[in-house]
Amino acid sequence: DAEITQSPRHKITETGRQVTLACHQTWNHNNMFWYRQDLGHGLRLIHYSYGVQDTNKGEVSDGYSVSRSNTEDLPLTLESAASSQTSVYFCASSGGLTDTQYFGPGTRLTVL
Amino acid sequence: KQEVTQIPAALSVPEGENLVLNCSFTDSAIYNLQWFRQDPGKGLTSLLLIQSSQREQTSGRLNASLDKSSGRSTLYIAASQPGDSATYLCAVFYNQGGKLIFGQGTELSVKP
Repeated sequence: DAEITQSPRHKITETGRQVTLACHQTWNHNNMFWYRQDLGHGLRLIHYSYGVQDTNKGEVSDGYSVSRSNTEDLPLTLESAASSQTSVYFCASSGGLTDTQYFGPGTRLTVL
Repeated sequence: KQEVTQIPAALSVPEGENLVLNCSFTDSAIYNLQWFRQDPGKGLTSLLLIQSSQREQTSGRLNASLDKSSGRSTLYIAASQPGDSATYLCAVFYNQGGKLIFGQGTELSVKP
């Protein structure tokens, strides 16, 4: 069965370190998305990609970057982790832009 | 500003009760509206997607309605069960912006 996976599932890091969260989907979807979920804010879009070599900034992109070198993967990099980036991160993908999105299980990141 | 609001934030009902979850949105120019379920510590699972031209969608005990003119959607759950306990999120794909905007969710607890 097609799926979307994220790794690691849990990560503790220190302020200032670079961190990369992995997202891999086997749906063969063109569109991929990164969200963060925080109490009081709900799900907010960080970055998204409509296909290979395409990346776009979302609502809360400061301090984050992505790159898309193939269809299956969209890694999210925190350039210099900050305590404000402590959150749960979700990756999602969709076939068509307005189609339903399929979500990964999430990565809980703690920045100390 | 394009927003999605879900009230109440939490709801507790006895098993067997029929219930309605509410979602409101600020702009009637939408492409579709999606309902998701999120279990604690898990990712989001798509429940129903209603296109802007549709009035409702049904899946098993779930029925979602859409009224664009009033900016409202409801998710009706019939004969609720303890297994329905989860957070339910509404998300709107607005014509303008090309992104899915999420509400903050309603946390549902169904007591045996």
